[in-house]
Amino acid sequence: DGGITQSPKYLFRKEGQNVTLSCEQNLNHDAMYWYRQDPGQGLRLIYYSQIVNDFQKGDIAEGYSVSREKKESFPLTVTSAQKNPTAFYLCASSSGYGTEAFFGQGTRLTVV
Amino acid sequence: AQTVTQSQPEMSVQEAETVTLSCTYDTSESDYYLFWYKQPPSRQMILVIRQEAYKQQNATENRFSVNFQKAAKSFSLKISDSQLGDAAMYFCAYRSAVLGGADGLTFGKGTHLIIQP
Repeated sequence: DGGITQSPKYLFRKEGQNVTLSCEQNLNHDAMYWYRQDPGQGLRLIYYSQIVNDFQKGDIAEGYSVSREKKESFPLTVTSAQKNPTAFYLCASSSGYGTEAFFGQGTRLTVV
Repeated sequence: AQTVTQSQPEMSVQEAETVTLSCTYDTSESDYYLFWYKQPPSRQMILVIRQEAYKQQNATENRFSVNFQKAAKSFSLKISDSQLGDAAMYFCAYRSAVLGGADGLTFGKGTHLIIQP
């Protein structure tokens, strides 16, 4: 089945540690995105990539980093510089401008 | 920058009735796309309907339809014959069609739809 796989579903980390969230897609989509969702908020864009080896900051990129070494993969690292990392993180992909985004099932990150 | 506003944090409707969710947006662009996404308790984001700004005709998908008013920058979602499975958070989203510009969807804060049996 084609789709977007995020892992793990739940992630717990101690404060001060970096953590990497995985996102893999087999839809052959060029563009990939990372969003953050907090209670009572919509989704906010962290980073996006329209092509391999290139990515752009979204609205809330501070404290996060990404890489896009392969078309299928777009991992997100939540660094210790992110002041409030506990949130629900969603990865998405799309095939081009104007097309809808398809989402993974999300990763719930809790930092204690 | 574009903004999307959903003014109804929560809506409630009786099963089999019709409900309309509101969405307004602000943009200086003339070409763009609008979407409604549904997020059930599983938190999986599911596309409900899509509208191209250059099309005057309102999009429809089975029981779901939109009222797109470009001049008013309004994009409401109408759900007919509401079903228990429609209960979810609904998000309105904007995507620019400007090539080479910033990409990604801009979301509203969502409307929690409750279906009463």
